[in-house]
Amino acid sequence: DAEITQSPRHKITETGRQVTLACHQTWNHNNMFWYRQDLGHGLRLIHYSYGVQDTNKGEVSDGYSVSRSNTEDLPLTLESAASSQTSVYFCASSEGSLRTDTQYFGPGTRLTVL
Amino acid sequence: AQKVTQAQTEISVVEKEDVTLDCVYETRDTTYYLFWYKQPPSGELVFLIRRNSFDEQNEISGRYSWNFQKSTSSFNFTITASQVVDSAVYFCAPISGYALNFGKGTSLLVTP
Repeated sequence: DAEITQSPRHKITETGRQVTLACHQTWNHNNMFWYRQDLGHGLRLIHYSYGVQDTNKGEVSDGYSVSRSNTEDLPLTLESAASSQTSVYFCASSEGSLRTDTQYFGPGTRLTVL
Repeated sequence: AQKVTQAQTEISVVEKEDVTLDCVYETRDTTYYLFWYKQPPSGELVFLIRRNSFDEQNEISGRYSWNFQKSTSSFNFTITASQVVDSAVYFCAPISGYALNFGKGTSLLVTP
């Protein structure tokens, strides 16, 4: 079955280290998204992509980067991890329209920055 | 921008009771899409339903039903004969720009 996976599921790192979170989908969806979920803030969009080689900043993109070299993957990189980036990170994908199509989520990655 | 209000922060019911989760939305758009997602204690986000502004038909899926009323800007979700496995946080969300605009959600606890 088609699916969307994230790895690792849990990660503990230290302040200042570079961290990359993986997201892989097998639906052949055009669009991919990264969100973070924090108590009191709900879900906030970090970056999104509507196709290979396309990436765009979301609401909270500072300190994060993404690259889309193929349809299936959108890795999220924290260039220099900060304690404020401790959060649960969700990757999502949708088929065609960014504005209307259903976004399907991965299982999430819990990141702790010490 | 579109946003929703889920006024019920927490709801607790006993198994087999019916429960309705309220969602009131605000939008200036004439065309828009609304979604419901479920987040069980395990943490994943599970898609439940998508509704566009042109379709005001109520939707039923098993024990789940949704009532969409443009006149009152509401998109309410009812669980009939609730079960313990329905315990979760439920989010009503529009797409605002390209992002799902999750509110704070409603935490539902179903006890045996």
